[in-house]
Amino acid sequence: GENVEQHPSTLSVQEGDSAVIKCTYSDSASNYFPWYKQELGKRPQLIIDIRSNVGEKKDQRIAVTLNKTAKHFSLHITETQPEDSAVYFCAASPWGNNRLAFGKGNQVVVIP
Amino acid sequence: DVKVTQSSRYLVKRTGEKVFLECVQDMDHENMFWYRQDPGLGLRLIYFSYDVKMKEKGDIPEGYSVSREKKERFSLILESASTNQTSMYLCATTWTSGGAGELFFGEGSRLTVL
Repeated sequence: GENVEQHPSTLSVQEGDSAVIKCTYSDSASNYFPWYKQELGKRPQLIIDIRSNVGEKKDQRIAVTLNKTAKHFSLHITETQPEDSAVYFCAASPWGNNRLAFGKGNQVVVIP
Repeated sequence: DVKVTQSSRYLVKRTGEKVFLECVQDMDHENMFWYRQDPGLGLRLIYFSYDVKMKEKGDIPEGYSVSREKKERFSLILESASTNQTSMYLCATTWTSGGAGELFFGEGSRLTVL
């Protein structure tokens, strides 16, 4: 099955700086890559996703890039704010398959 | 707004007890999932269901079973709870059929087995 790994496990950034989280996946058939954000004590929520027919997708301060050749995708957060502090999970699955494989999560801490 | 409701936020059970965790969704979603969340291990899929009375094992089904008698309700059952099943359990649903899409999660049920 699919195996997704996230790096680094914890990331601390100064407010206003950028944060980048990278995930690698193992199954070349995977073509759907979502990112979920989980604030302390709350449920995970989808913040952005990308499918393999595009290399990059942006939504305001967040963006995701995909490199299918290298089998990795990254989440970029620009101009970080305290409310960006959370655990971020990446995931991957082949289209047509409901079984998302999640990474172990990254704790992002934005220092005011 | 999609609403996914888990019946219990916090439960404390004893080893060997039978435990039921219930999840109800109000959006007519076909697909429902049970995940387990542990620190440092991320979200691991226990079971999922893509239709009434249909179920498939996820990555860690041992020690668990599920029931889906109605489309809106998906139950996770621990036949004989053990201490290593102490965890946060998250139910999720998605509208897509045959394709991956946004998962909508419940608030979670934190189970402690003594």
